[in-house]
Amino acid sequence: AQSVTQLDSHVSVSEGTPVLLRCNYSSSYSPSLFWYVQHPNKGLQLLLKYTSAATLVKGINGFEAEFKKSETSFHLTKPSAHMSDAAEYFCVVTFSGGYNKLIFGAGTRLAVHP
Amino acid sequence: GAVVSQHPSWVICKSGTSVKIECRSLDFQATTMFWYRQFPKQSLMLMATSNEGSKATYEQGVEKDKFLINHASLTLSTLTVTSAHPEDSSFYICSAVLAGGSTDTQYFGPGTRLTVL
Repeated sequence: AQSVTQLDSHVSVSEGTPVLLRCNYSSSYSPSLFWYVQHPNKGLQLLLKYTSAATLVKGINGFEAEFKKSETSFHLTKPSAHMSDAAEYFCVVTFSGGYNKLIFGAGTRLAVHP
Repeated sequence: GAVVSQHPSWVICKSGTSVKIECRSLDFQATTMFWYRQFPKQSLMLMATSNEGSKATYEQGVEKDKFLINHASLTLSTLTVTSAHPEDSSFYICSAVLAGGSTDTQYFGPGTRLTVL
């Protein structure tokens, strides 16, 4: 079965410091992996997507993630946090089994302090 | 582009009443829309898949007679919570897939918060 585990429910960083949000997945097939961000009162926004091309994926707003098959991980990073990055982040997995369903992780709430 | 709206953004209703939530793709046609449910501080759980012009496909454990889904046009899907009870209080989120696009690329609405008293 496909599943995704976000290892931290809360992460707190200072503005200007690096961000690391951890995600591990379980999939019997070649997965597609995503990171979404959810700001209050706004729809989920796609940050980036991995679909078996380059293992290092660059997304919007300076975020990137690296697919590591040996570690079954897809951690999200950003070199320097901004106050506007404070939000809920979801790691998502899907697989092409004739019907793509998005399977969401539990989410990581990122707090950014001045 | 690829904007999805939901109406209402929040609703409070009495137990036993029905509530309809609309999901619209504003600038594209969507043959497939999804409905998710998100409990406080929890993740999104897929409830059902809505295909234009056909019956919705419900996930295991979701009561199709309680959560009625209609996808009557390429830009509108509705979710009706019938005979709502306090345990139905949740955040309901829809997403839409561009017609002809892959279902792994979904555009999400802002969500509707339902509170049942």
